[in-house]
Amino acid sequence: KQEVTQIPAALSVPEGENLVLNCSFTDSAIYNLQWFRQDPGKGLTSLLLIQSSQREQTSGRLNASLDKSSGRSTLYIAASQPGDSATYLCAVEVNYGQNFVFGPGTRLSVLP
Amino acid sequence: DGGITQSPKYLFRKEGQNVTLSCEQNLNHDAMYWYRQDPGQGLRLIYYSQIVNDFQKGDIAEGYSVSREKKESFPLTVTSAQKNPTAFYLCASSVQGLSAFFGQGTRLTVV
Repeated sequence: KQEVTQIPAALSVPEGENLVLNCSFTDSAIYNLQWFRQDPGKGLTSLLLIQSSQREQTSGRLNASLDKSSGRSTLYIAASQPGDSATYLCAVEVNYGQNFVFGPGTRLSVLP
Repeated sequence: DGGITQSPKYLFRKEGQNVTLSCEQNLNHDAMYWYRQDPGQGLRLIYYSQIVNDFQKGDIAEGYSVSREKKESFPLTVTSAQKNPTAFYLCASSVQGLSAFFGQGTRLTVV
């Protein structure tokens, strides 16, 4: 059964720092991997989608990498801002339209 | 604007009562999902549907039911058989090769 973990569970950094969030999954047979952002009491917003054949994706200050063979993905946030404060979740899609398996999330606080 | 709409935002259920959470999407996505989120835990899959008139149980389907009569709609009913329904419920949709879209959630509380 696919399991997803995220490290750290919580992170607090001063504004301007570069930071890395980690995601690990137990079964490398994935369709894709997505990183989401969740603000308190809100739904999820997709940040980056990495197909299983890709190694990384970039959007603005965000860069996500995928190493299927080792079951790992990282989300790199450059020059963090207080507006980046949120919970970040990674999810692997086992097969299209069947299931996303989510990690527990990393709660990020960026201090002004 | 295309997206997913969940309603209501807040819902209160009395003991022994069935309640239905609405999820509508205008993204023309084939696949739709219902997740439950509890404090300190990740999202857990309740039900998913890949096409109209077909749906599959997820990891925690007991006490829940769904229907998929239209492509745009995937309502979730929380039945009286669900003994601990207080949670945040999220609906999502996706299409092959693209990101999943989530609604803004419904917070259900038992009173």
